[in-house]
Amino acid sequence: VLTQSPSASASLGASVKLTCTLSSGHSIYAIAWHQHQPEKGPLYLMKVNSDGSHTKGDGIPDRFSGSSSGTERYLIISSLQSEDEAEYYCQTWSTDIVVFGGGTKLTVL
Amino acid sequence: QVTLRESGPALVKPTQTLTLTCSFSGFSLSTSRMCVGWIRQPPGKALEWLALIDWDDDTYYSTSLRTRLTISRGTSKNEVVLAVTNMDPVDTATYYCARTTNGRFPFDLWGRGTLVTVSS
Repeated sequence: VLTQSPSASASLGASVKLTCTLSSGHSIYAIAWHQHQPEKGPLYLMKVNSDGSHTKGDGIPDRFSGSSSGTERYLIISSLQSEDEAEYYCQTWSTDIVVFGGGTKLTVL
Repeated sequence: QVTLRESGPALVKPTQTLTLTCSFSGFSLSTSRMCVGWIRQPPGKALEWLALIDWDDDTYYSTSLRTRLTISRGTSKNEVVLAVTNMDPVDTATYYCARTTNGRFPFDLWGRGTLVTVSS
């Protein structure tokens, strides 16, 4: 249901756009983004709706934003910092089950 | 302060049943639209959802693991328990519990996780 690229990289101070692709037939679904750093519990970042609107979790910096296009849901991180290096997972709910994408490992160069 | 904390054995033997407890504070699972779920991450692999219980005590399970999982409220009103039967080395993972506040999606707060190793 959810597909993510395994890896992404961007330079310190730059911006990066991570993509979560919903399978066909799920274009109206909202997704959530979670950040997972090593040795920590995952952190909820935001929920992204099909119209591109998004609702962030408590305390999530303005550098993190979301958008949508068709079956794709995006997480945009601007002004990349070293602490943004982490695994990023998207999540949705479909027919009584929770679904996670395979995760994208973001490397900050 | 709202927190969740996972607890349970760090080591189990193959074929044993694993019982994990999620102890939480700062919210009530009886509040409408509140849910608690369990998710695991095997070493080097992605997050995998296991089970979820909602405010009405309705339960939901991973399709692939449903025959081995039971999620329930604990003896304390601030606990959710997950039982996993017939443990195998492939079940070695860090197990997380997480909360939702607006229905069954999304998880908006996670615990730190507990590592469970399955070995004889």
